[in-house]
Amino acid sequence: DQQVKQNSPSLSVQEGRISILNCDYTNSMFDYFLWYKKYPAEGPTFLISISSIKDKNEDGRFTVFLNKSAKHLSLHIVPSQPGDSAVYFCAASENDMRFGAGTRLTVKP
Amino acid sequence: GAVVSQHPSRVICKSGTSVKIECRSLDFQATTMFWYRQFPKKSLMLMATSNEGSKATYEQGVEKDKFLINHASLTLSTLTVTSAHPEDSSFYICSAREFPGSKQFFGPGTRLTVL
Repeated sequence: DQQVKQNSPSLSVQEGRISILNCDYTNSMFDYFLWYKKYPAEGPTFLISISSIKDKNEDGRFTVFLNKSAKHLSLHIVPSQPGDSAVYFCAASENDMRFGAGTRLTVKP
Repeated sequence: GAVVSQHPSRVICKSGTSVKIECRSLDFQATTMFWYRQFPKKSLMLMATSNEGSKATYEQGVEKDKFLINHASLTLSTLTVTSAHPEDSSFYICSAREFPGSKQFFGPGTRLTVL
């Protein structure tokens, strides 16, 4: 039972444009959501998070939006840079942490 | 989608005891499993990489005699925290992939509390 889903396995975006990564979840008890970025041969690194009491959190070029009624969160990267090319995992937490399957973002110069 | 499970989901133990955490790939054969530890600020630290049938490769700074990893089959890897101490209290997460270059799927994690 996948409680956190990232339905797009890959996304390709032109440099300078906006990247939008989506994530859906099924468990309404999740109260904390995170995005991780992972380069090949490295562990995931924490990127940005949001509590369920908020609907938006912004950190530089990265913004996470949370729509609790739709059980959906998204990560916006703007402007996208080639160095942003990586696999992005969303995760949701109540007591345990559940990860999505990841979306591979490619930012083309 | 592929599912990775961990057992137990949480464990509380006394200082000095050993704790075993299991990581299973439920619907695929994982030639490689990874063990992570989550630190404050939510970053995940890769502890070790284990390939089925061979010794685990530990990251620098991770004590291999303290964190014993066994990957005896294509669906099961275990992490044993030996002589656990309160500073070992953390959230341990495993992930698995079928073959090099394939997608990596994460388990739900195990919260270890050492009293």
